[in-house]
Amino acid sequence: QKEVEQDPGPLSVPEGAIVSLNCTYSNSAFQYFMWYRQYSRKGPELLMYTYSSGNKEDGRFTAQVDKSSKYISLFIRDSQPSDSATYLCAMSAQGAQKLVFGQGTRLTINP
Amino acid sequence: GAVVSQHPSRVICKSGTSVKIECRSLDFQATTMFWYRQFPKQSLMLMATSNEGSKATYEQGVEKDKFLINHASLTLSTLTVTSAHPEDSSFYICSATIDSATNEKLFFGSGTQLSVL
Repeated sequence: QKEVEQDPGPLSVPEGAIVSLNCTYSNSAFQYFMWYRQYSRKGPELLMYTYSSGNKEDGRFTAQVDKSSKYISLFIRDSQPSDSATYLCAMSAQGAQKLVFGQGTRLTINP
Repeated sequence: GAVVSQHPSRVICKSGTSVKIECRSLDFQATTMFWYRQFPKQSLMLMATSNEGSKATYEQGVEKDKFLINHASLTLSTLTVTSAHPEDSSFYICSATIDSATNEKLFFGSGTQLSVL
């Protein structure tokens, strides 16, 4: 079993829709949870960073962590074509050390 | 955000040759740099962690004699793929941080696509 599971998609939604991206994990030692956006053949860009259960909001993005269920989500409201990218969840037990990434979900927002 | 420059962005080489990839932190001093590998449609896999002035720490299953990492200064780390073979073809990404205790200050390079013929 992989430490982090993420549905690779692809996921295609119309512009303006609410997008929900999810990851599950098995290692209860993970304390830091991140969402990255990666455009084709580019390095990941940090979108959201959380270290506790609950919700964190930043503009159109909301990150949700449920440690009891070992489940994290990223919600994108009012999705835009420019949001089309691969979204990677990542987590670690120790800060920036040993980040474990999900497989990435390829998202397309259709105009 | 801080900038991490990775060069080259794409390299094609013949089997048996060595390839060097550079990772530079342009506007900050990186105490720690990380090297990842990403195969198509797969997640990034951590290969090694390097701290300036000391030997890199390799993840299980990563051959340290094949993937040579040098972190000679606070702004530069290099990954050399020695005697490259077609199975080494992959997307290699570096990241750098000024504070390994937090992921908020971890920045990624734009990656290097290595194709070994």
